[in-house]
Amino acid sequence: AQTVTQSQPEMSVQEAETVTLSCTYDTSESDYYLFWYKQPPSRQMILVIRQEAYKQQNATENRFSVNFQKAAKSFSLKISDSQLGDAAMYFCAFNTGTASKLTFGTGTRLQVTL
Amino acid sequence: SAVISQKPSRDICQRGTSLTIQCQVDSQVTMMFWYRQQPGQSLTLIATANQGSEATYESGFVIDKFPISRPNLTFSTLTVSNMSPEDSSIYLCSVNTGTGDYEQYFGPGTRLTVT
Repeated sequence: AQTVTQSQPEMSVQEAETVTLSCTYDTSESDYYLFWYKQPPSRQMILVIRQEAYKQQNATENRFSVNFQKAAKSFSLKISDSQLGDAAMYFCAFNTGTASKLTFGTGTRLQVTL
Repeated sequence: SAVISQKPSRDICQRGTSLTIQCQVDSQVTMMFWYRQQPGQSLTLIATANQGSEATYESGFVIDKFPISRPNLTFSTLTVSNMSPEDSSIYLCSVNTGTGDYEQYFGPGTRLTVT
């Protein structure tokens, strides 16, 4: 079975600071894809960043970057220069291809304070 | 990416009734997915809907309760049948554009409350 674990139900960060959200996963597949989605109170699921397992280089998207440790099955999200608009639920997710469902973690609620 | 709309955005329904949720995509896509997000919880896949074939349901979800239609490559519906308060959730559709990307893009969700 494929599982995704987010061990931090809630995190808080001050504006302009950096925060790291943790995610671990378990799979027997060798080829897979990892994602971080953001869900603000509007409930719209927004793709933040993605990582292909076959790529060794960590993905980055502006202020968002990941630390992908394949051997440890770890996929953490770093948010730099945090902004008030970053406050949301963040879900780590995993799939094995285009026809594959997304398996989600339980989410981390991020609070951004002044 | 893809732009996805859902109707209705929210509804309050009485137990025992049914609600049909529509999902419209701005481009043709092969794979459409329906997820449920119960209050304060993560997302769980209900079923995968391919155009021209029967939907494939996940364990714990059955066609009689959640019938799905996929009449063309840009549209799908999910019906929540014989509703009970336990069906109160956000229902989201998502698509994979099939252009070599593996991420899914989500609609804005339908918030359903069953009284």
